[in-house]
Amino acid sequence: QKEVEQDPGPLSVPEGAIVSLNCTYSNSAFQYFMWYRQYSRKGPELLMYTYSSGNKEDGRFTAQVDKSSKYISLFIRDSQPSDSATYLCAMLLDSNYQLIWGAGTKLIIKP
Amino acid sequence: KAGVTQTPRYLIKTRGQQVTLSCSPISGHRSVSWYQQTPGQGLQFLFEYFSETQRNKGNFPGRFSGRQFSNSRSEMNVSTLELGDSALYLCASSTGTDTQYFGPGTRLTVL
Repeated sequence: QKEVEQDPGPLSVPEGAIVSLNCTYSNSAFQYFMWYRQYSRKGPELLMYTYSSGNKEDGRFTAQVDKSSKYISLFIRDSQPSDSATYLCAMLLDSNYQLIWGAGTKLIIKP
Repeated sequence: KAGVTQTPRYLIKTRGQQVTLSCSPISGHRSVSWYQQTPGQGLQFLFEYFSETQRNKGNFPGRFSGRQFSNSRSEMNVSTLELGDSALYLCASSTGTDTQYFGPGTRLTVL
């Protein structure tokens, strides 16, 4: 079993829909949780960064961490075709500075 | 602040050759991580350098090596190239204790 599980998709939704992207993990010691967006043939860019449990909002993006269920989510409101990309989750322990990555979910927003 | 830079952006090599890729991190960042990404694969962690010392290492053969200089710039070397080494090689910069910021990548094609 991988430490971080993420459905590779593709996930295809119509423009304007609310998108939910998720990752599950097995190591309860993870403390830092990140979401990255990667456009085709580009490097990943950091979208959201949360510490421990709770929600964090930035514009149309909301990151949610549920440590009791070992589950993190990224919600995108009013999705746009420009949101079409691969979304990667990543997690970090306090004691080991190596990021553990999900496989990435390919998201397609249809106009 | 300037972002992470990687050179060259594109490379074409033949089997058996060796290649050196370069990464300049964000000013003040002391950690540089290297990843390999192939189509359909997630990010595969190669290694991480922090203050000129290799701090973490992934499961890649010894043909893949790296180093970091006193100014935090890092190089990655791949010897005896194989067809399967064709990939996007990404460098990520960090303070060393939290999230990572990626460069645009070097696309390596091995013929």
